[in-house]
Amino acid sequence: GENVEQHPSTLSVQEGDSAVIKCTYSDSASNYFPWYKQELGKRPQLIIDIRSNVGEKKDQRIAVTLNKTAKHFSLHITETQPEDSAVYFCAASMEGVTGGGNKLTFGTGTQLKVEL
Amino acid sequence: DGGITQSPKYLFRKEGQNVTLSCEQNLNHDAMYWYRQDPGQGLRLIYYSQIVNDFQKGDIAEGYSVSREKKESFPLTVTSAQKNPTAFYLCASSNDRGNHPIGYTFGSGTRLTVV
Repeated sequence: GENVEQHPSTLSVQEGDSAVIKCTYSDSASNYFPWYKQELGKRPQLIIDIRSNVGEKKDQRIAVTLNKTAKHFSLHITETQPEDSAVYFCAASMEGVTGGGNKLTFGTGTQLKVEL
Repeated sequence: DGGITQSPKYLFRKEGQNVTLSCEQNLNHDAMYWYRQDPGQGLRLIYYSQIVNDFQKGDIAEGYSVSREKKESFPLTVTSAQKNPTAFYLCASSNDRGNHPIGYTFGSGTRLTVV
């Protein structure tokens, strides 16, 4: 089955700096890569996703890049703010595959702390 | 809030006891999932269901059971065979139609503690 590795496990940045979280996946058939943000005591929320037919996607201060050849994808947060402090999870799945559904395999999470 | 409700929020289980966690969604989603969250281990898939009356084991199904008698409901039973059940349990649903489904919607979770 799919295996997703995520680094680093903790990341501390100064407010205004950029943060980068990296993930690798093992199954070359995976084609959908979402990122979730989980604030303390709350449910994970989808913040951005990318499909394998594109290499980069941006949404304001958040961007995700995908390298299919190397089987890795990254989350980039620019101009970080204290409210960005949370745990971030990457995930991978195979869309449109019958029998497997769209079940996500998650990375182990990155605790991001934005310091004032 | 989000259309998917988990209950209870906190649950305490005695040794040797079975407990059932509730998950209900009104999003008309086909697929539902149960994940377990432990510190430093991310979210691990327990069971998932793509359609009513059908479900499949995930990566850590041992000691758990599920049912999917209604589209809206996907309860998870933690049996006495699960030796380390203390964890945070998250239910999720997704629109599993076509090739571009919407990402998961998560419930607010149930924190289960063995006493």
